[in-house]
Formats: sequence, structure tokens, C-alpha cells
Amino acid sequence: QQQVKQSPQSLIVQKGGISIINCAYENTAFDYFPWYQQFPGKGPALLIAIRPDVSEKKEGRFTISFNKSAKQFSLHIMDSQPGDSATYFCAARANYGGSQGNLIFGKGTKLSVKP
Amino acid sequence: DGGITQSPKYLFRKEGQNVTLSCEQNLNHDAMYWYRQDPGQGLRLIYYSQIVNDFQKGDIAEGYSVSREKKESFPLTVTSAQKNPTAFYLCASSILDRSEAFFGQGTRLTVV
Repeated sequence: QQQVKQSPQSLIVQKGGISIINCAYENTAFDYFPWYQQFPGKGPALLIAIRPDVSEKKEGRFTISFNKSAKQFSLHIMDSQPGDSATYFCAARANYGGSQGNLIFGKGTKLSVKP
Repeated sequence: DGGITQSPKYLFRKEGQNVTLSCEQNLNHDAMYWYRQDPGQGLRLIYYSQIVNDFQKGDIAEGYSVSREKKESFPLTVTSAQKNPTAFYLCASSILDRSEAFFGQGTRLTVV
């Protein structure tokens, strides 16, 4: 119940296309859903995050779509660029009546954007 | 500059030896974390600490030890009991009542 399942494991997209990465969860106590971007040899960096009181959040070319009833959330990268080539991790954190749980990470998606 | 500093970037260890990875933060964050990253496995939590002189085991604590003597520092020791220590190790920190976690640049440990 603590897992976050991420798909696909790898993704190849043409420059200018839309990249879509999906995550699913079971724990209804999760109330914070961030996406991290990681370049090779570097630490992950927070890209965008959402809480379940909204169904969509957009920041530039990056959008999170959130479906609370289906327990799914996804990252959409519009107009994908070669510089977006990286590994993307979804994550979730629970709130147990004010006590925060730890971040639970998906296994990652390696995105390659072809020029 | 504020941030999280991990050192060294690369570390080589002989089998049977203990090795300590450094993590320092100047963000005044209460919570600090150690993750292990293996290809295709995502980030798995080793240990975390929410306050000085206190820490908790994560999902894969066996073969590792930590200390939290100062708020800024959270070193990780990979002991000889860790059967497969070759991995990329990431340290992170966060404010307790905020959800965003900030990561260091990682230490790649290789057992030779």
C-alpha cells in the first residue's frame, strides 16, 4: 500500500512532442505528489508538485494531472526538448493527522528527446 | 550559497572496509535523509533524522549506520556488513512542516 507505481520505464519522444509519464498509488493518506528531474551524475531536483485538492497544475511546459478517484497522477511535458532528456521520478508523501510520512518514490522513467 | 554538500563525489572501497559518506547542509533544515539509488530501482530510504541526536531506520537500513550530532551534518557509514554497497548515495533535507526535499549531488561508491 506504500508503493508508487511509475510507467513507462523508458520513453523516447521526438523534439516538439508531448512526453507523458504516469504514476499510481494505493495509500489514501498521501497528500503531496512531487515530480523530480534527475540528470546523469546529479541529484534529483524538484520540478513540480501537486496536492489532491486540485486536478491540474501547470508550470511552463510542465503539467501535473491528478485523478483522486483513480489514485493516479501524471506528468506532461509539452513541446519536449533535447534538454529535457533526464530521468523523472514521481513521489508521494502521506500526512497522518499532522505527522508527515517520508517521500515514497516511483522507480523512475528515463526520457530521451530526439532532435 | 545555501545547499546540501555531499563528499566525496566518487569513493572506492575495498571489500571488508567501512567507509563514511559526508552530508552537510546550510539550509537550517530540521530533517535529513539518506537514499540509495540503483539502476531501475528508484530511490530507497536508508535512514532519516528529524532532530539532532535522533534518527530512524528506513526501508533498507541493514549494513548502514548514521549519526546526527549537529543539525547541519548527517554522515552515513557503509559497513562491511552491507553485502552489495556499490551504488549512488543521495542525501536530502527538508523543513519538517514543508514537503519539499532538497537533494545533494550524490556520492558514487564502488567496491573494488
